[in-house]
Amino acid sequence: EAGVTQSPTHLIKTRGQQATLRCSPISGHTSVYWYQQALGLGLQFLLWYDEGEERNRGNFPPRFSGRQFPNYSSELNVNALELEDSALYLCASEGQLNSPLHFGNGTRLTVT
Amino acid sequence: SQKIEQNSEALNIQEGKTATLTCNYTNYSPAYLQWYRQDPGRGPVFLLLIRENEKEKRKERLKVTFDTTLKQSLFHITASQPADSATYLCAPGGANSGNTPLVFGKGTRLSVIA
Repeated sequence: EAGVTQSPTHLIKTRGQQATLRCSPISGHTSVYWYQQALGLGLQFLLWYDEGEERNRGNFPPRFSGRQFPNYSSELNVNALELEDSALYLCASEGQLNSPLHFGNGTRLTVT
Repeated sequence: SQKIEQNSEALNIQEGKTATLTCNYTNYSPAYLQWYRQDPGRGPVFLLLIRENEKEKRKERLKVTFDTTLKQSLFHITASQPADSATYLCAPGGANSGNTPLVFGKGTRLSVIA
């Protein structure tokens, strides 16, 4: 089965711009999670979508937003980019609630 | 608030030895605990899940224990190999009837020296 795919692999933006990151879950998985992993830090939970609805949100400002489409793919949008938004953004999908997460290899966002 | 601590940022061991990684959690009552492996520039990969009613779980050279009294999980890799070098993440989960997303520790970077 195809794994979780994320695009683009790398993204370079300047401060104040907007970034859009995309994620396609494993076929049949309806839940998608977004995590931020800044250099030297652990995975920080951003957003959780299931069946098209936002289920939970981490402690991030409103300029971090997203959505889930009818085919369960998802998009993460970051507005008004700041230098500290530079990080690896990881998407994961889940087949059933409380089952292991399947991660993509992330989008490396660099804000200059 | 929930707190997850993994014993050390980095652990170096000789090839062939057993690596033991520790995960402690506070202010949390997870129903299970998961362990993941992450290689540089890649997403984490699931390794093992142990439930609160299980004391120990094994998979090939991997062994995980879960002590809900101590609020601790130990992750062992026996007969370690240089290919085991990676960052290992623990993630207690299943609290609040599973409506809380998985929270990860910062990880322990394991280096197995040949």
